[in-house]
Amino acid sequence: ETGVTQSPTHLIKTRGQQVTLRCSSQSGHNTVSWYQQALGQGPQFIFQYYREEENGRGNFPPRFSGLQFPNYSSELNVNALELDDSALYLCASNPDRGGYGYTFGSGTRLTVV
Amino acid sequence: SQQGEEDPQALSIQEGENATMNCSYKTSINNLQWYRQNSGRGLVHLILIRSNEREKHSGRLRVTLDTSKKSSSLLITASRAADTASYFCATDTTGGFKTIFGAGTRLFVKA
Repeated sequence: ETGVTQSPTHLIKTRGQQVTLRCSSQSGHNTVSWYQQALGQGPQFIFQYYREEENGRGNFPPRFSGLQFPNYSSELNVNALELDDSALYLCASNPDRGGYGYTFGSGTRLTVV
Repeated sequence: SQQGEEDPQALSIQEGENATMNCSYKTSINNLQWYRQNSGRGLVHLILIRSNEREKHSGRLRVTLDTSKKSSSLLITASRAADTASYFCATDTTGGFKTIFGAGTRLFVKA
């Protein structure tokens, strides 16, 4: 029933590697936000894109980067993976820059070994 | 850092009882949202209350907002086992561009 899909659902990477996570937002949703959720914690804001431009960023290092495409898809890229990057990564879309509830995808579970 | 803080961290009740969760936040907001998450899956938006609203209802959910105390509460009436989940409050801050989540309340409803 969710309009946001994420791939892959699970991923195992080695420390130091790079990873790309993908998200397909609900059609018509111009805003996409990415969150990192560690086990037992609330989602932490990574960054937000609005109409393909980065609209804001949380307290994450530059090795976390993203892209948003005109077809409502987006990517989260993480370079030089660290063990602490192991988490559930959530993509969420919104019709505008705020004022609406987010539609979340089911997430990508990333494990760094 | 997290804007919203939920209380309690965990709550265990019997089916049919009411569940109340509280959220406090630090800065001025445009709106406050509540979400549910089942077993580490994606979050589901439950309800949004704007800063000029004091109370909102949706089915068995009742949300209140007190901007003078910077707090909100979520009441789930006549709880069911299927309500077992983590519940998060999230805020859109004034002049901000991001929705910030709290650490959540883990609700267990025993059948």
